[in-house]
Amino acid sequence: SQTIHQWPATLVQPVGSPLSLECTVEGTSNPNLYWYRQAAGRGLQLLFYSIGIDQISSEVPQNLSASRPQDRQFILSSKKLLLSDSGFYLCAWSATGTNYGYTFGSGTRLTVV
Amino acid sequence: KNQVEQSPQSLIILEGKNCTLQCNYTVSPFSNLRWYKQDTGRGPVSLTIMTFSENTKSNGRYTATLDADTKQSSLHITASQLSDSASYICVVSAIGTYKYIFGTGTRLKVLA
Repeated sequence: SQTIHQWPATLVQPVGSPLSLECTVEGTSNPNLYWYRQAAGRGLQLLFYSIGIDQISSEVPQNLSASRPQDRQFILSSKKLLLSDSGFYLCAWSATGTNYGYTFGSGTRLTVV
Repeated sequence: KNQVEQSPQSLIILEGKNCTLQCNYTVSPFSNLRWYKQDTGRGPVSLTIMTFSENTKSNGRYTATLDADTKQSSLHITASQLSDSASYICVVSAIGTYKYIFGTGTRLKVLA
């Protein structure tokens, strides 16, 4: 069966520090991968999605970037965090060639101080 | 414009009571609709998924309905439990896209 792993679960980082959040999927190949951010009490905002290695689309201009070094690995990064980067970050995957819905990771709570 | 609207925004009910959450969408061409439950500080978990041809789908005490003509869906929770306290999110996808349209969710609180 397919599983998605996301870490760390919580992170407190100072303003200006770098960021690296990792997401991996097991039990499937060539998944579509997504990064979402959820501000407190708000809906989910799509940040990046990837339909294959080196195929990453950005949805909103921001201080973040994404990379997909391996088929089932998706990384969210920042060179210098801002206070506004605080939030709940969710990774998700869906099967290639379908849009039959996501499976989400457990999320990372990022607090920039 | 593809949109998903959910109502009510929040809801408080007593344990054991039933409730119904609404989702209206304008996503086209419609592919499928999914209801998720999100506990505070956790990732959303899928409850049901329905395609165009499906009218109803159950998952335990959760029953989702879909009216593709009126572009409406509802999630009915029967005999609510304290553990049902969470946000419920309606997500709709269109044919030919990798992206999904999220509703802002309904925050449900079940009181003892």
